[in-house]
Amino acid sequence: DTGVSQNPRHKITKRGQNVTFRCDPISEHNRLYWYRQTLGQGPEFLTYFQNEAQLEKSRLLSDRFSAERPKGSFSTLEIQRTEQGDSAMYLCASSLANGGWNEQFFGPGTRLTVL
Amino acid sequence: KNQVEQSPQSLIILEGKNCTLQCNYTVSPFSNLRWYKQDTGRGPVSLTIMTFSENTKSNGRYTATLDADTKQSSLHITASQLSDSASYICVVSRNDYKLSFGAGTTVTVRA
Repeated sequence: DTGVSQNPRHKITKRGQNVTFRCDPISEHNRLYWYRQTLGQGPEFLTYFQNEAQLEKSRLLSDRFSAERPKGSFSTLEIQRTEQGDSAMYLCASSLANGGWNEQFFGPGTRLTVL
Repeated sequence: KNQVEQSPQSLIILEGKNCTLQCNYTVSPFSNLRWYKQDTGRGPVSLTIMTFSENTKSNGRYTATLDADTKQSSLHITASQLSDSASYICVVSRNDYKLSFGAGTTVTVRA
């Protein structure tokens, strides 16, 4: 499968615990994006990387959230001291920024439930 | 306030029938407009992409229209199938990385 993959697909945690999600983009894609989607809403932009550089972070990304893409390939999104309001689907997307459409391809998402 | 508004919020249609979904946006600047299909529990999949100079674009039984003057778009589904049951999301791109998503229209196709 050469699409975007995310792990785990589901995560249930207790409030106050830390969680980490992983995203593996399409191999030749240089951009990687993280989004959060709550029920009945469209995805909201969190942050994006071009290669290993994190170029923009949304104000939705509080101090408890951190994202990395250390080698410009896979990325991790960590949430510290989780809160019930963090419950959502976390989507990762990747694209090849080469002056064209820069179409973003989405992974299946990680559904987080904070109890 | 969301800059991409979709209607209706949900609709139910019988298999084989047609339907049209609406999208109004106020996003500026405007680079392109996309329609995505999102199955339950899955990530969105792109159906069409249009720039401001394109009025219509088709992808199989899906046809999208764009009026950049009135900032309106529609997605028409022809001869619906059970597999068309999904959420359809209108997405406006401001530049080459930032996307503004609508809340989606949930379509349910019944036999």
